[in-house]
Amino acid sequence: GAGVSQSPSNKVTEKGKDVELRCDPISGHTALYWYRQSLGQGLEFLIYFQGNSAPDKSGLPSDRFSAERTGGSVSTLTIQRTQQEDSAVYLCASSLGLALETQYFGPGTRLLVL
Amino acid sequence: ILNVEQSPQSLHVQEGDSTNFTCSFPSSNFYALHWYRWETAKSPEALFVMTLNGDEKKKGRISATLNTKEGYSYLYIKGSQPEDSATYLCALETSGSRLTFGEGTQLTVNP
Repeated sequence: GAGVSQSPSNKVTEKGKDVELRCDPISGHTALYWYRQSLGQGLEFLIYFQGNSAPDKSGLPSDRFSAERTGGSVSTLTIQRTQQEDSAVYLCASSLGLALETQYFGPGTRLLVL
Repeated sequence: ILNVEQSPQSLHVQEGDSTNFTCSFPSSNFYALHWYRWETAKSPEALFVMTLNGDEKKKGRISATLNTKEGYSYLYIKGSQPEDSATYLCALETSGSRLTFGEGTQLTVNP
């Protein structure tokens, strides 16, 4: 079956522009997660969704970051007024449910802010 | 802030060698310990989800053990092959399902 997919795979943007990253989870997975890996850093939690609700947004690094999920499926992560420090690989994962479930990761979106 | 530490940071072994690396974590608020394998240009691949103290899991030549009381997990690879070359990540799951990752151990297996 299809795994988690993300688009675009690569994005180059200019500082100050807005970007939108998309994640299509595995069909039937109710939980969806966003992480990022900045250069030289470990994977960092950003936000998770249970259905369309985001109970924990504490990982979002600033108010320029927002995310939504619609129809219990596709999610978009939006970064407004991008900064160079936003350059990172953004990874999406999904799982059947919350707690003690394997999270299946997508291939990531590599974002470069010039 | 949770501190998940992995050691060593990198490791070079010869094909056929067996190897192991460590993940240490705070034992309070423990739900589960996840192990992932991440090859360059690919998605992180789930290896194990471990929940019980004393747990031991195995997948082919890879196995892992868990000690929740002292806060560590070991990952073992028996008879390493070049295709085992990857970064091995551990992640602590606490309540709420968010994973806190270590920085990984980068394994290179030389033919």
